[in-house]
Amino acid sequence: DVKVTQSSRYLVKRTGEKVFLECVQDMDHENMFWYRQDPGLGLRLIYFSYDVKMKEKGDIPEGYSVSREKKERFSLILESASTNQTSMYLCASGQGAPYNSPLHFGNGTRLTVT
Amino acid sequence: AQTVTQSQPEMSVQEAETVTLSCTYDTSESDYYLFWYKQPPSRQMILVIRQEAYKQQNATENRFSVNFQKAAKSFSLKISDSQLGDAAMYFCAYRSRDDKIIFGKGTRLHILP
Repeated sequence: DVKVTQSSRYLVKRTGEKVFLECVQDMDHENMFWYRQDPGLGLRLIYFSYDVKMKEKGDIPEGYSVSREKKERFSLILESASTNQTSMYLCASGQGAPYNSPLHFGNGTRLTVT
Repeated sequence: AQTVTQSQPEMSVQEAETVTLSCTYDTSESDYYLFWYKQPPSRQMILVIRQEAYKQQNATENRFSVNFQKAAKSFSLKISDSQLGDAAMYFCAYRSRDDKIIFGKGTRLHILP
């Protein structure tokens, strides 16, 4: 079974802190994604990566950056956390091809910024 | 840019009955892929069913089937013989050929015993 592991289930940070959310997958997937999930807003794509060191902005990249130095690891960075970044963050991975390959999700990280 | 719209924030269905969840999308692409995902209360998202846009035949997976209307850009999910374990958030998703995958806002499905 594919395993996508997010380093923290719950995280509490202070405004202005630099925050790292880590995600590791064990199935050699080319693609990795970071979404945030908020009630009534569904999943919104922050960034995705289709290869090592490659990244693409999603629909809401402002305030975030990402790093993919190794194929199995995709990190989401909040340069200076703000209260409006309090959310559930979901990492997912998937094959580049075939295109009907499903995403595999981690359990999520509930981030609270105070 | 592509968008995915789920117009039903919440729905309820009696156990053993059939329910249909709606999804529409907007795209200028002709080649894309559509998915329905389920997020049970335990939180981990799992795939329910998928559809390739180039296939006219509607996908089915046991009690789950889709009604894919490409011209109308509609991709609804039908759940037959609803079970208590079907209670979850359901998300419709669109994948374009550039690997971007976007989701709708979701529909929370309640199963009434």
